[in-house]
Amino acid sequence: ETGVTQSPTHLIKTRGQQVTLRCSSQSGHNTVSWYQQALGQGPQFIFQYYREEENGRGNFPPRFSGLQFPNYSSELNVNALELDDSALYLCASSGQLEAGNEQFFGPGTRLTVL
Amino acid sequence: GQQLNQSPQSMFIQEGEDVSMNCTSSSIFNTWLWYKQDPGEGPVLLIALYKAGELTSNGRLTAQFGITRKDSFLNISASIPSDVGIYFCAGRSNTGKLIFGQGTTLQVKP
Repeated sequence: ETGVTQSPTHLIKTRGQQVTLRCSSQSGHNTVSWYQQALGQGPQFIFQYYREEENGRGNFPPRFSGLQFPNYSSELNVNALELDDSALYLCASSGQLEAGNEQFFGPGTRLTVL
Repeated sequence: GQQLNQSPQSMFIQEGEDVSMNCTSSSIFNTWLWYKQDPGEGPVLLIALYKAGELTSNGRLTAQFGITRKDSFLNISASIPSDVGIYFCAGRSNTGKLIFGQGTTLQVKP
C-alpha cells in the first residue's frame, strides 16, 4: 500500500509568481484535503476535494485553487504569490467521509516566497 | 484562522517521566484526534476518539474525549527519547475539516 506522496519537496518562488503543488493520495482513498502550516503553527485547512468536486473550504482567498483528478490525485494552485504564503503545504487523503476513515498526511511541500 | 487552544506550548522532561497535554475548544466536535509531527514530515495519527468520555490507549499513549465534547487530553507514560516531536490535537467537523491546535513541542532528556 503506497502512502500519500507530494511533489516537489521544496520550492522557491518570487512574489507575484504562480505555483502548482501535487499530491497523490493513498491507495483506496477518494478524498483529498490541503492544509497550510506556517512555521510554529498547526496546519490550517485550505480546502477538500471529493470525487473531483470541492467539498468545503477554509478561510483562504480565491487565488488558492485546486483540482482533483479521476485517479483521486490532486493539485493545489496559488496565484499572485505573497511573502506570507511561505509555509509547509500538506496534503492528506482519506476514504469515505465517516468516523474511522481518518486523514493520512503526506510529507509536505516547503514553499518559500522571496 | 481558527485554532484550538493547546497547552502547554512546550515541555522539556527527563526520560522516564510521564507527560500530559490538553486541548480546549469553544466549539463542540464529534471527533478528536492526536497527531505527532517530526521535522520534515507530515503529521502522523496517534489516536482517534469518537465518543464523549471515551478513553483510548495506543501503547504508552492514552487520550480522552472530554464529556463536554469541547476538550481532550493526551498522556504519554514513561517517555523515551523517540517521543521527541511536536504533538497536535485536532477536532474534526461534520464536513471532515480538521481544526488543529498550535502544537506542544516535547523534548526528552536521556
